[in-house]
Amino acid sequence: GENVEQHPSTLSVQEGDSAVIKCTYSDSASNYFPWYKQELGKRPQLIIDIRSNVGEKKDQRIAVTLNKTAKHFSLHITETQPEDSAVYFCAASGGSQGNLIFGKGTKLSVKP
Amino acid sequence: NAGVTQTPKFQVLKTGQSMTLQCAQDMNHNSMYWYRQDPGMGLRLIYYSASEGTTDKGEVPNGYNVSRLNKREFSLRLESAAPSQTSVYFCASSDLWDKEKLFFGSGTQLSVL
Repeated sequence: GENVEQHPSTLSVQEGDSAVIKCTYSDSASNYFPWYKQELGKRPQLIIDIRSNVGEKKDQRIAVTLNKTAKHFSLHITETQPEDSAVYFCAASGGSQGNLIFGKGTKLSVKP
Repeated sequence: NAGVTQTPKFQVLKTGQSMTLQCAQDMNHNSMYWYRQDPGMGLRLIYYSASEGTTDKGEVPNGYNVSRLNKREFSLRLESAAPSQTSVYFCASSDLWDKEKLFFGSGTQLSVL
């Protein structure tokens, strides 16, 4: 079945710096890759997603890139702000299991 | 629209007790899911219901049962709670035409002593 690995598990950056979180997946049939943000004590919320027919997608300060050959995708946050502090989860779906398989999460801390 | 509503928000059980977590969505979504979240483990799928009248096992179904009561409601039951089931439980739903985009409830923090 699908396996999603996410790195790093924790990331600390200064306000204004960029942050990058990377995920790899194992099932080459997976075709949908979302990113969820979970603030402390809150529910996970979808912030951006990408499908396998696209290499990059941007939404203001966040972007996701996908390398199908290498089976990895990344979340890029530019000009980080304290409100970006949260746990970020990547996920993959569309392979043999069908349902979303999540990575273990990255705790991002943005220091003012 | 309330979205996805879970009850209760917090629960403490003793080993061996049973309880049911309730979930309801008002977005007319076809699919509903139960996840558990443990520190350092991400979100793991317990059971899901692709449509009213169907349920299927996810990654970690042991010790749980589910009921899709109607299109709106999907409950999770622990028949004999164990300390290993201490976790935060999230219900989620998704639309038929965009089933991969999950909308989560606010979670239930369950402690089994």
